[in-house]
Amino acid sequence: DADVTQTPRNRITKTGKRIMLECSQTKGHDRMYWYRQDPGLGLRLIYYSFDVKDINKGEISDGYSVSRQAQAKFSLSLESAIPNQTALYFCATSEGQYQETQYFGPGTRLLVL
Amino acid sequence: AQKVTQAQTEISVVEKEDVTLDCVYETRDTTYYLFWYKQPPSGELVFLIRRNSFDEQNEISGRYSWNFQKSTSSFNFTITASQVVDSAVYFCALSVGGGSGYALNFGKGTSLLVTP
Repeated sequence: DADVTQTPRNRITKTGKRIMLECSQTKGHDRMYWYRQDPGLGLRLIYYSFDVKDINKGEISDGYSVSRQAQAKFSLSLESAIPNQTALYFCATSEGQYQETQYFGPGTRLLVL
Repeated sequence: AQKVTQAQTEISVVEKEDVTLDCVYETRDTTYYLFWYKQPPSGELVFLIRRNSFDEQNEISGRYSWNFQKSTSSFNFTITASQVVDSAVYFCALSVGGGSGYALNFGKGTSLLVTP
């Protein structure tokens, strides 16, 4: 089984709808991240969490919120989806020592109509 | 501020050719890490290498090699004898201190197409 899983893998929604993307990991890592990938722009950080009680905004957090329900689970919510949030969303995890390697989930393709 | 530049947007080579993907980074931090990830057409991100700022030794792993030069702030990636399976988008990334959550600052990626 994959170490980092994301659900759903694909989602189509309408403008104004609330949507949640979920990430689970079995690697036992403390740190979890949400990134967004747009064509030609690389990946950009939305939120990150060092543990259940520690959540921080990234470069592009506006319009998003997160919840760290447990060490292994980190969810990303779009409270009111808009078309420019159409993107590929990745969850990543890493150990809690310095600049460790981040391991990515398979991604969620989101289309907002 | 941290920045990673991958000036080559797209590269096309014929199988068995060698190809080098360029990566130039900017940071004022003295301690930092550099990474390369591969994103094949299936979309997942595959970790290739992690290198810290104090280790300038070149790295070789099979057909892959990396050249880290602090003097030019570059961390270039070479694929020797390219194969069709090497076709992917390759990302270079930089991670600095805890103030940024040790997040990865990605370049925009280089799309490599290897044709038979």
